[in-house]
Amino acid sequence: DGGITQSPKYLFRKEGQNVTLSCEQNLNHDAMYWYRQDPGQGLRLIYYSQIVNDFQKGDIAEGYSVSREKKESFPLTVTSAQKNPTAFYLCASSIGQLMNTEAFFGQGTRLTVV
Amino acid sequence: AQRVTQPEKLLSVFKGAPVELKCNYSYSGSPELFWYVQYSRQRLQLLLRHISRESIKGFTADLNKGETSFHLKKPFAQEEDSAMYYCALAEWSGSRLTFGEGTQLTVNP
Repeated sequence: DGGITQSPKYLFRKEGQNVTLSCEQNLNHDAMYWYRQDPGQGLRLIYYSQIVNDFQKGDIAEGYSVSREKKESFPLTVTSAQKNPTAFYLCASSIGQLMNTEAFFGQGTRLTVV
Repeated sequence: AQRVTQPEKLLSVFKGAPVELKCNYSYSGSPELFWYVQYSRQRLQLLLRHISRESIKGFTADLNKGETSFHLKKPFAQEEDSAMYYCALAEWSGSRLTFGEGTQLTVNP
């Protein structure tokens, strides 16, 4: 079954702890993205990667880090420096440039800081 | 910097009525615009894109460069159209997709 898999679906973290969200795709897509979804604010871009071993900051990268060591994987670490980490996180991928193709999304991870 | 605005957070219509979801954008270049939809308990997915000029599930959207708008329209709404709709803009380099705030559409029986 091809697609994007995010895990876990729900994640709880204590304040001050780092946590890593997993995103794996078997679509052979070059580009991958992380978005944060908050009510009334839509989707905001955290980081994106157009190719393995390369990634760029999005609009709200502070307090987050990523890596892209493999084409199929793009994990997101929410660090203790992120002031308001409780949110719904969406991972996406695309075969190429978004002008000409669509983005495919995972089912999301809901992170709650307790 | 590019920006996408959807002025209505909530929109409620009756079945069979026309529906229009508004989207305005600001971008210095030539944008490519999309509508994405998220049905209850489903993934966010592409509904339609400007470049293909298709009608999907009865929805159409016209790019108005003078008004910098890309409103989504359907002449007769159906209950299964109830969902969250996001307007999105891809910049010319194609590396980023900027989303609006989203509009929750409810179609009442």
